[in-house]
Amino acid sequence: DSGVTQTPKHLITATGQRVTLRCSPRSGDLSVYWYQQSLDQGLQFLIQYYNGEERAKGNILERFSAQQFPDLHSELNLSSLELGDSALYFCASSVAFASGFPSTDTQYFGPGTRLTVL
Amino acid sequence: LAKTTQPISMDSYEGQEVNITCSHNNIATNDYITWYQQFPSQGPRFIIQGYKTKVTNEVASLFIPADRKSSTLSLPRVSLSDTAVYYCLVGDSAAGNKLTFGGGTRVLVKP
Repeated sequence: DSGVTQTPKHLITATGQRVTLRCSPRSGDLSVYWYQQSLDQGLQFLIQYYNGEERAKGNILERFSAQQFPDLHSELNLSSLELGDSALYFCASSVAFASGFPSTDTQYFGPGTRLTVL
Repeated sequence: LAKTTQPISMDSYEGQEVNITCSHNNIATNDYITWYQQFPSQGPRFIIQGYKTKVTNEVASLFIPADRKSSTLSLPRVSLSDTAVYYCLVGDSAAGNKLTFGGGTRVLVKP
């Protein structure tokens, strides 16, 4: 158990819909990362937040957005869903020192949310 | 952009050493190299991290040559429970700190 929690575990929805995935980081971790894992694209970095502010951005679509709240939990919002958005979505957290680079942070991954778009 | 490539798969036998190389030609000066292990239906788990030369912990070693364009994860004396997918992760400080995972190497340990 990494200490990172994600809800829901599974989500089935239809094309065109909007969903919200939730992540609670490990106690004391200030940074949250979101990843998408699909069979054809592998693990793709989407976005990172540090203490409520966006820190780094990866291959996140404009239909997707995220935020980190004052209590440090994070939500990933996926809208206008397409079949190709079906994937495992992972959240990870790290201590992330303010002066460091993301690549130096040891990340602890949650169990993931499996999204199926029908 | 840092582009990372790994072999798709490799087989080994219990008790052998497994070496997985990741190529990251465009790694930036400040980037570290991190390796993760992933079992089916689970999130990746940290194995080891390094910047240069050699790093060793209780489960693996990481070898990084002077030019840092590649890194090799070494798993000594593997067991059946080491069957998993192994990923290298490189940051790209030249591209807004975008993190890039390799495609993953599926390691199958046979009895």
